[in-house]
Amino acid sequence: GDSVTQTEGLVTLTEGLPVMLNCTYQTAYSTFLFWYVQHLNEAPKLLLKSSTDNKRTEHQGFHATLHKSSSSFHLQKSSAQLSDSALYYCALAPSSFSKLVFGQGTSLSVVP
Amino acid sequence: EAAVTQSPRNKVAVTGGKVTLSCNQTNNHNNMYWYRQDTGHGLRLIHYSYGAGSTEKGDIPDGYKASRPSQENFSLILELATPSQTSVYFCASGDAEGNSDYTFGSGTRLLVI
Repeated sequence: GDSVTQTEGLVTLTEGLPVMLNCTYQTAYSTFLFWYVQHLNEAPKLLLKSSTDNKRTEHQGFHATLHKSSSSFHLQKSSAQLSDSALYYCALAPSSFSKLVFGQGTSLSVVP
Repeated sequence: EAAVTQSPRNKVAVTGGKVTLSCNQTNNHNNMYWYRQDTGHGLRLIHYSYGAGSTEKGDIPDGYKASRPSQENFSLILELATPSQTSVYFCASGDAEGNSDYTFGSGTRLLVI
């Protein structure tokens, strides 16, 4: 079946260091991949999405590249800020008219 | 502005009691979803709907019912609440297309005592 794996449950980083949150997926279909961000006591919100192989997608300082050959969609940022502390979900839309499949989430904590 | 609104924001319920969580969307989206969020489990899909009058079971439907009386409204019903249903519940709406992202409500924090 379709699945999304986020290997890190908790990532703690010092401010200014680069961010990389891992996301891999399994599906037999052509896909859309998404990253959602959820700050404390708020709703999850879309951060970025992509369906194009090997194309970098950027938003709010974050970027991700969908690599269909390795089934990956890792989230990156060059320099972490304290305000980036949040819960991040990777999600997959396996095909048109499919509901999203979410990973278990990665909690990012950025410390001074 | 298009939005998803949940009510109540917080709820304390007694074990065995009936609880209804409400969700209203102004996005004119066909699809609506109910999730629960627990530490270590992420977002888990309880029920979803493709439109008025339709409800479908998600991944963890046991102990929950859903109702979609109109395009705008989608309710989650706990007929006999149990402490294991203590959680944060999120409603979301989305277009029918698979590339559509979801708009989430602000969540309902439910405590069953």
